[in-house]
Amino acid sequence: GQQLNQSPQSMFIQEGEDVSMNCTSSSIFNTWLWYKQDPGEGPVLLIALYKAGELTSNGRLTAQFGITRKDSFLNISASIPSDVGIYFCAGPNNNDMRFGAGTRLTVKP
Amino acid sequence: NAGVTQTPKFRVLKTGQSMTLLCAQDMNHEYMYWYRQDPGMGLRLIHYSVGEGTTAKGEVPDGYNVSRLKKQNFLLGLESAAPSQTSVYFCASREKRTSTDTQYFGPGTRLTVL
Repeated sequence: GQQLNQSPQSMFIQEGEDVSMNCTSSSIFNTWLWYKQDPGEGPVLLIALYKAGELTSNGRLTAQFGITRKDSFLNISASIPSDVGIYFCAGPNNNDMRFGAGTRLTVKP
Repeated sequence: NAGVTQTPKFRVLKTGQSMTLLCAQDMNHEYMYWYRQDPGMGLRLIHYSVGEGTTAKGEVPDGYNVSRLKKQNFLLGLESAAPSQTSVYFCASREKRTSTDTQYFGPGTRLTVL
């Protein structure tokens, strides 16, 4: 099946720094989704991208749908302690969803 | 609205025991999913359902069975638990309209098989 490769696996940053993570696939996706999972919770959708080249923002978060439709990027600006968690990229695969392995973000105050 | 709820939150089983995880949603969603989450693996789809009375296999279905007798409930069964099934299990649901509609996740069930 389609595999999503997410990097980096983990990040340790200082509060106030910007963060960038990405997701790549060997197959084309028509939609890219970015989820965040807080400790002990289920994932929650942050941003959805529906068109190649699309750049979408949600507060301090910005995500881009790559032109080739095989990659996507998520940026977080001016990180704060509550940004801690695991960030997943995901893409629909017919009736189901494929997820990347996640990027674990730690923010030091 | 409670959204998506899962029962139980935690469970410890011995190898060979059976159990059923219950997922319930009150959003009248057509589609429901069961995922497992393991360290470094992200979420992997076990089984899913596109409507009451229908189920389909996902990426890692072996060792699990599911049933969707009522639209609001999706049950995941382990007939003979194995240590490899130690994981955190998440249920999700979404509307039917398009494949891009948001999936809503439950809080998870942490299962340990000894």
